[in-house]
Amino acid sequence: QSALTQPPSASGSPGQSVTISCTGTSSDIGGYNSVSWYQQHPGKAPKLMIYEVSKRPSGVPDRFSGSKSGYTASLTVSGLQAEDEADYYCYSYAGSDVYVFGTGTTVTVL
Amino acid sequence: QVQLVESGGGVVQPGRSLRLSCAASGFTFSSFGMHWVRQAPGKGLEWVALIWYDGSNKYYADSVKGRFTISRDNSKSTLYLQMNSLRAEDTAVYYCARAGVGGDDLDYWGQGTLVTVSS
Repeated sequence: QSALTQPPSASGSPGQSVTISCTGTSSDIGGYNSVSWYQQHPGKAPKLMIYEVSKRPSGVPDRFSGSKSGYTASLTVSGLQAEDEADYYCYSYAGSDVYVFGTGTTVTVL
Repeated sequence: QVQLVESGGGVVQPGRSLRLSCAASGFTFSSFGMHWVRQAPGKGLEWVALIWYDGSNKYYADSVKGRFTISRDNSKSTLYLQMNSLRAEDTAVYYCARAGVGGDDLDYWGQGTLVTVSS
């Protein structure tokens, strides 16, 4: 159950786009379409932003989108806004009813 | 609206036990799987355990297997985490979370309860 690999940080200016990668293996990301993404502001609980690779829950802006290719999933935030500054975590099913989070990425809006 | 409220955190000595609770409301608790997730101070999220909607199956991260037990009381809409043989590395904020409609995501989270393992 090794953590999925994310870059520690990413940044962009308001209005720009930022993409966060999440790399796993054939046992997790590569084996299932069960990747989700969570946004966490300091001192707050995480919030679901994307599920099943690319689906958005009700209420999540369409500026957030997800995709997957092979063993790597990605989250793209388009039209960056100040409130998007937060930590982001990917999460994947890893078989046999166990799950694994990514290492987390801090997004900074310049 | 869906609400999850954790309780039971606190300071505990290494080797001792603690039980966390998560009171659920605003949805049919007995229809959803439930998870525990933890976050050590300044660190990332770590999945801890899953229990199926009816309590029939339970799964754990290797880091807590054999020491932690997840359970639920559907008549009380409450989720539990019994933590035994606690270690310093178990120090974290513990969140309960509901399994989402996708099955493998976490669509609602509680606010978390802090567990500190220290002598």
